Order: sequence, then structure tokens, then C-alpha cells
Amino acid sequence: SQQGEEDPQALSIQEGENATMNCSYKTSINNLQWYRQNSGRGLVHLILIRSNEREKHSGRLRVTLDTSKKSSSLLITASRAADTASYFCATDYGQNFVFGPGTRLSVLP
Amino acid sequence: GAGVSQSPSNKVTEKGKDVELRCDPISGHTALYWYRQSLGQGLEFLIYFQGNSAPDKSGLPSDRFSAERTGGSVSTLTIQRTQQEDSAVYLCASSLAGRNSPLHFGNGTRLTVT
Repeated sequence: SQQGEEDPQALSIQEGENATMNCSYKTSINNLQWYRQNSGRGLVHLILIRSNEREKHSGRLRVTLDTSKKSSSLLITASRAADTASYFCATDYGQNFVFGPGTRLSVLP
Repeated sequence: GAGVSQSPSNKVTEKGKDVELRCDPISGHTALYWYRQSLGQGLEFLIYFQGNSAPDKSGLPSDRFSAERTGGSVSTLTIQRTQQEDSAVYLCASSLAGRNSPLHFGNGTRLTVT
């Protein structure tokens, strides 16, 4: 399989804590993207990081990319109950994108 | 502006019937993708359209599945002779320029085959 794999599969934290999710992939990429999904419906794009970038920020989100290890991490700082969702990494593969199975994040009030 | 629109949002059908799922991408987006997501699982790629190029059908699970994109805009995913294992959420996404652009997803069609 060429899929990315997120780790952990599930994560529960208290509101205000930081959440870190990891993604590993198998082939060379042009970019890696992170998405959030609420309630099993449409995914929302969070961040795109290109293969020549090592770190990217967007608000409370920080994404790192290590192409030598074929891995990426998503850090959510000062988590809120509204961050409860599934998070997916996606890597470009040919002309389409391959998604991992996701990390289910629960932020407890 | 308007996002990706999918219809119907829910579809219940009997085993053996045909179904058509529709996707209206964001205007101006040349790339369109169909994915399938079973309960609690990741996304399974089905098919990809880019402009006027031949579609990448490599993810279609069987010849009962087909898709078309008319006029470079609206797309229809057709499943013939539906089976219970076809039950899933079918997600459509569009992007401005293919693999270097973020995907914009619709809310999906939840298909239940009884």
C-alpha cells in the first residue's frame, strides 16, 4: 500500500493541552496535506506543506515535514472542545491523493 | 462563494438497483475526485478527472462502477446492481490545479444498500 499512516489511531486530551499526531508515508512526495473531518462527512483542508518545506504554521496549527524519514507531524496547541474530529494526512501519488486511516481526536472539557 | 455540492445527501436503495450520485464542483476547478469512505475508515480513491484528459479510473473497485464528467463541470458516479458492500459515504472533491492544490470536499452522499 502507498498509504500514509497516522499515529496514534485515537487520542484523548483535556481542553487546553496540546495534541500531536504523526503521519508516515512510503513514497517520494511533492506535498503533504492535513485535513479535518467532523461527523464523518466532508473533509476540511488545514495545511499543505511542500516537500522543500520543513515547517509551516497556521493559527494554532504547526506542521513539520521530514522527507528523510518520510514523516510529518501535526501539532494543535491550546486545544478546544471544537477541535474534536478525525484528522487525516494525504500525500500526492501520481495525479491523485492517498489518505491515511486518520487519528480520532477527542478534546474533553 | 459556493462550495462543492453533492446530491443526494442520503440514499437508501435495495440490493440490485442502480444509483446515481451527483457532484457539482467549485466553478473554475479543473480537477475532480471521487472517494469512498466506509464507517470509521480512511478514504478510498475511486476516480480522478483533470480537464479534458482521460480520467484515472484505477481506483474503481469493479465494472459496476462508472463515472463521467460533462462539460468539465458536473460529475455523476453510477453504481449498477448495487451490493451491500457498496454501503459507504461517497465523497467528491475538486481542486484548482490538481496535485499541488488543496482539495475542497463536498459533504458526501451516504449510500445504504439494504
